[in-house]
Amino acid sequence: QQKVQQSPESLSVPEGGMASLNCTSSDRNFQYFWWYRQHSGEGPKALMSIFSDGDKKEGRFTAHLNKASLHVSLHIRDSQPSDSALYFCAASERDNNNAPRFGAGTKLTVKP
Amino acid sequence: DAGVTQTPRHEVAEKGQTIILKCEPVSGHNDLFWYRQTKIQGLELLSYFRSKSLMEDGGAFKDRFKAEMLNSSFSTLKIQPTEPKDSAVYLCASSRDWGTQYFGPGTRLTVL
Repeated sequence: QQKVQQSPESLSVPEGGMASLNCTSSDRNFQYFWWYRQHSGEGPKALMSIFSDGDKKEGRFTAHLNKASLHVSLHIRDSQPSDSALYFCAASERDNNNAPRFGAGTKLTVKP
Repeated sequence: DAGVTQTPRHEVAEKGQTIILKCEPVSGHNDLFWYRQTKIQGLELLSYFRSKSLMEDGGAFKDRFKAEMLNSSFSTLKIQPTEPKDSAVYLCASSRDWGTQYFGPGTRLTVL
C-alpha cells in the first residue's frame, strides 16, 4: 500500500503563475517530509524539507505542513518554464530503520 | 564535493544475462539507497543500507536483485538473470542520518 499519495498527477500553469502540489501520508509515523524535483534525464534533486507545522519558504518555493492531517503542499510562485519537471514528495519516520517513502509524483508543465 | 556517481549510464543486456550496476555515494554519507524508476510504477525501493548494513529491501525484488556495499564508498546492484521487464532507470542515492537524499544521474537499463 502506497504510504504517500500525491495530487494532482499532472498540472499545467502559465509562465508567471502559481503552481500548487499536494501530498498526504497515510501513516502517522511518516510525518517528516521532503520535496524533490526531477528534470528529464536526471536524478531527483531535493528542493526542501519540512518537519514542523506551518510554512517554510525558500525563494519562489513555499511548503506548508499540517501534521494533524499529515498533509504537505508545495507552492511555486512566478512559475518558470525551467520549473517544468516531475515533483516527488517523500515522507520519513525519524530515528527508525525504514527508508523514506516516495509518492508517485506530479508532472508540472509551465507554458511560456 | 563530488555528488553520487553511477556507472554505466546506459546498459543493454540480453535476456538471461547478469549485469552489475555501480554506485559511489557522497563522501561521508552513511545511508545508501537503490531505486528502480519506471513511468508506471514510479520510484520503487530496491535496497537501503545504513553504515554498510542492509536495513531494508524491496520484498518483490529479492529473488533476482542483490545489492551489496563492499565498503562505505562503493555499492553494486546485481541483476541475475535479467528479464525484459527489468528495463528501467536504476537510481542510487545517499544521505546522512535520515537526511536529504542526494541522487545520482541513474543507469538506464534495456533488456532485449
